[in-house]
Amino acid sequence: EAGVVQSPRYKIIEKKQPVAFWCNPISGHNTLYWYLQNLGQGPELLIRYENEEAVDDSQLPKDRFSAERLKGVDSTLKIQPAELGDSAVYLCASSLGPVANEQFFGPGTRLTVL
Amino acid sequence: GQSLEQPSEVTAVEGAIVQINCTYQTSGFYGLSWYQQHDGGAPTFLSYNGLDGLEETGRFSSFLSRSDSYGYLLLQELQMKDSASYFCAVRDGHSGAGSYQLTFGKGTKLSVIP
Repeated sequence: EAGVVQSPRYKIIEKKQPVAFWCNPISGHNTLYWYLQNLGQGPELLIRYENEEAVDDSQLPKDRFSAERLKGVDSTLKIQPAELGDSAVYLCASSLGPVANEQFFGPGTRLTVL
Repeated sequence: GQSLEQPSEVTAVEGAIVQINCTYQTSGFYGLSWYQQHDGGAPTFLSYNGLDGLEETGRFSSFLSRSDSYGYLLLQELQMKDSASYFCAVRDGHSGAGSYQLTFGKGTKLSVIP
C-alpha cells in the first residue's frame, strides 16, 4: 500500500516568489493535515481537512498561505509571497478519520527561501 | 494553551534500556502519542495512550499517568537504528473544531552508541 506522497521533496526560491506543495494522502483517508516543522522542533499544525472541507485552519497565516483539497483527495498548500522565515519542512499527513489514533506522514517538502 | 516538556537529547549504549519522559499541560486532554523521526524522514507513529497504564509493542513501551500529566516512552534492547528523534504529542479537543488536534513536543534526539 502506498504511503502519503508529497512533491517536490526540495524547493529553493527567492523571497517574494510564490511556491506550492502537493500532497496525495493514503487512499481512503478522509482526514488530511498540513504541518510545518522547523529545525529542531516538532510538527505544528497549519490546517486540517475533513474530505474537502477545511475544519481547522486557525494556525494558517492567511495573509500569505492558502490551501485547497479539491474532490477531497489531493491537496495543495501555497505560499505567496514567500518570506525568509518560511524556510522549513512542510509535512502532509492523513488519517482514517478525525479521531484515529495514528496519523501517517509523508516525507515532507524542504523549503529554502533565499 | 498547550505545552509539552521532554529532554532535548539522550545518549544510550546499544543493548541498553532508555526512558524518554514527557510532561504536559493542556485542557481537554484525550491522550498521548509518540512518534519517531529519523533525520530527513517522516514522523512515524509508535504508540498511543488514552488511559493510564503501560502499552507494550515489541521493544517499545509507553506509559501514561493522567493525574500527573506525565508519560514516558521506554525503549529496550537498543539498536543503532533506534537513533532518531522521538516526539510526544498531546491529543486534545477543540470545541470550535469539533474534533481532536495533536500538539507535538520539541522532540528528544536519541543517540545510540556502540
